[in-house]
Amino acid sequence: NAGVTQTPKFRILKIGQSMTLQCAQDMNHNYMYWYRQDPGMGLKLIYYSVGAGITDKGEVPNGYNVSRSTTEDFPLRLELAAPSQTSVYFCASSSPGLAGREQFFGPGTRLTVL
Amino acid sequence: RKEVEQDPGPFNVPEGATVAFNCTYSNSASQSFFWYRQDCRKEPKLLMSVYSSGNEDGRFTAQLNRASQYISLLIRDSKLSDSATYLCVVNLPTSGTYKYIFGTGTRLKVLA
Repeated sequence: NAGVTQTPKFRILKIGQSMTLQCAQDMNHNYMYWYRQDPGMGLKLIYYSVGAGITDKGEVPNGYNVSRSTTEDFPLRLELAAPSQTSVYFCASSSPGLAGREQFFGPGTRLTVL
Repeated sequence: RKEVEQDPGPFNVPEGATVAFNCTYSNSASQSFFWYRQDCRKEPKLLMSVYSSGNEDGRFTAQLNRASQYISLLIRDSKLSDSATYLCVVNLPTSGTYKYIFGTGTRLKVLA
């Protein structure tokens, strides 16, 4: 199993550009999440999904959009990139059921907006 | 008050030392608790779940005090390879699912 994969690993965007961060998992997990991590800060939840076709906002959704057409994929779309979106983005997945379920993280995408 | 609070450190300790990290959480409805390890410029990885009775995994011991809303991680006989940031994570039921709330992490540096 590859686990959770993310592409690209690094990206530099100009202000106003758009891009999609890709995330895929091969563990058949229903739950998937997008987080951002700013230097010295905890992970902040952007969006999450409890299954294909179902997505919901986290604590910092502004400037982002997601879709979940399959169990495996959960892309994150940035529209009109701003310097405030410079961050490391982590995708994660977990299986549903009991609360005590481990989250598995992808390796992250480092995004710089100039 | 932050939902999950940790001492950011850094904790600089010599090899072989015992070090303890603390974490407090604000929501008494929190159901599950975890310690994750994050190496520099890498993704978080689960170190251990934290159970009410306390649990141990080799040199690592985790404790939970629900009454005080407090979680701890004890590392004995520190190794150079233990140098990392340790994230306290709390799982909170919300809107039909669960939300994972991350602390900002405690940095540990083990010195030779």
